[in-house]
Amino acid sequence: QSALTQPASVSGSPGQSITISCTGTSSDVGGYNYVSWYQQHPGKAPKLMIYDVSKRPSGVSNRFSGSKSGNTASLTISGLQAEDEADYYCSSYTSSYTRVFGGGTKLTVL
Amino acid sequence: QVQLVESGGGVVQPGGSLRVSCAASGFTFSSYGMHWVRQAPGKGLEWVALIRYDGNNKYYADSVKGRFTISRDNSKNTLYLQMNSLRAEDTAVYYCAKESSGYYLFESWGQGTLVTVSS
Repeated sequence: QSALTQPASVSGSPGQSITISCTGTSSDVGGYNYVSWYQQHPGKAPKLMIYDVSKRPSGVSNRFSGSKSGNTASLTISGLQAEDEADYYCSSYTSSYTRVFGGGTKLTVL
Repeated sequence: QVQLVESGGGVVQPGGSLRVSCAASGFTFSSYGMHWVRQAPGKGLEWVALIRYDGNNKYYADSVKGRFTISRDNSKNTLYLQMNSLRAEDTAVYYCAKESSGYYLFESWGQGTLVTVSS
């Protein structure tokens, strides 16, 4: 049950696009299309942003998109806004029916 | 709307026990799987445990297996996490989270309850 690997931090200017990667194994990210992404602002509970690799829940901006290639999933945020500054976590279903999170990525909007 | 309210956190000595609870409302509790997820101070999210909608199947992270027990009372719309043999590294905010039927995700989250393991 090793955590998925995410970059510790990414940054971008308002209006730009950024991508956060999430690397796992064939037993989690690579084996299933069940990757989800969560946004967490300081002191708040996480919020679901993407599920099933690329689906957006109702109410989430279409500036957020997801994809996957092999054992690596990615979250892309386009048209960066100040309110996007937060921590982002990926999560995956695993072959042992458990769940696993990435270590988290701190997004800074410059 | 979905509401999840955790309670029962506090300070406990190493080796001690504590039970945290999660009161659910706004949905048919007995139809959904439920999770516990924790977050140590200044650290990332860590999945802890899952219980299926009927309580018949339970799954745990290796880090808590044999020490923690997840359970539910569908008549009271309440989820529990019994934590035994607590260690300093179990210090964290504990969140309960609701699954979405047919999907592998954490659809709704509570605000969390802080558990501190310290002498």
